[in-house]
Amino acid sequence: QVQVVQSGAELKKPGASVKVSCKTSGFHGHFMHWVRQAPGQGLEWMGWINPDSGGTKYAQKFEGRVTMTRDSAATTVYMEISSLRYDDTAVYYCARDGAWTIRGFDYWGQGTLVTVSS
Amino acid sequence: EIEMTQSLATLSVSPGERAILSCRASQSINNNLVWYQQKPGQAPRLLIYSASTRAAGVPARFSGSGSGTEFTLTIDSLQSEDFAVYYCQHYNSWPPGYTFGQGTKLEVK
Repeated sequence: QVQVVQSGAELKKPGASVKVSCKTSGFHGHFMHWVRQAPGQGLEWMGWINPDSGGTKYAQKFEGRVTMTRDSAATTVYMEISSLRYDDTAVYYCARDGAWTIRGFDYWGQGTLVTVSS
Repeated sequence: EIEMTQSLATLSVSPGERAILSCRASQSINNNLVWYQQKPGQAPRLLIYSASTRAAGVPARFSGSGSGTEFTLTIDSLQSEDFAVYYCQHYNSWPPGYTFGQGTKLEVK
């Protein structure tokens, strides 16, 4: 049974960093993506991580400010954003890449609200 | 970067009728197009991938079509649970391309 469970809401000050976790179970060998959604706005792809190799690819907008990592068991992935700004306030989702058979994001975490406020 | 455009921000349709949502790519993406449904307070749900393949558990009233730059999501006989926001997405593994459209809110007329 596939499960994708994210860490809880965060409140951070501008300039700080935040690290969101995404624990997976029931599968192996799928890339994991991070997508964010600002309040009342659409979806924005941030990047992916290959949990097996640790390889990553970031959207150009987030290069240098976002870091995606995983644990040694390759079952939990992390997304860290540094130098937080007010407009980073958003719900952050991790999502499984369906890979070769399902070309889309087929399982999503419940989302983690990150609020940036002074 | 390929841009995805959903020209209608809001579409008003009566229950029981058909809804047709559109999505356009700034250049050809073949059939690398995905549709998601999102309800308030929930994560998106995969509906259609490869432009026309329904994901597991998606009712047959949902269908996708198109290729190249023009795509359509059709929902027949709208049910109350279908009123939501729908996003299209360009999905390409390499070079990586996962751009979302702005979304279309399907509301009750």
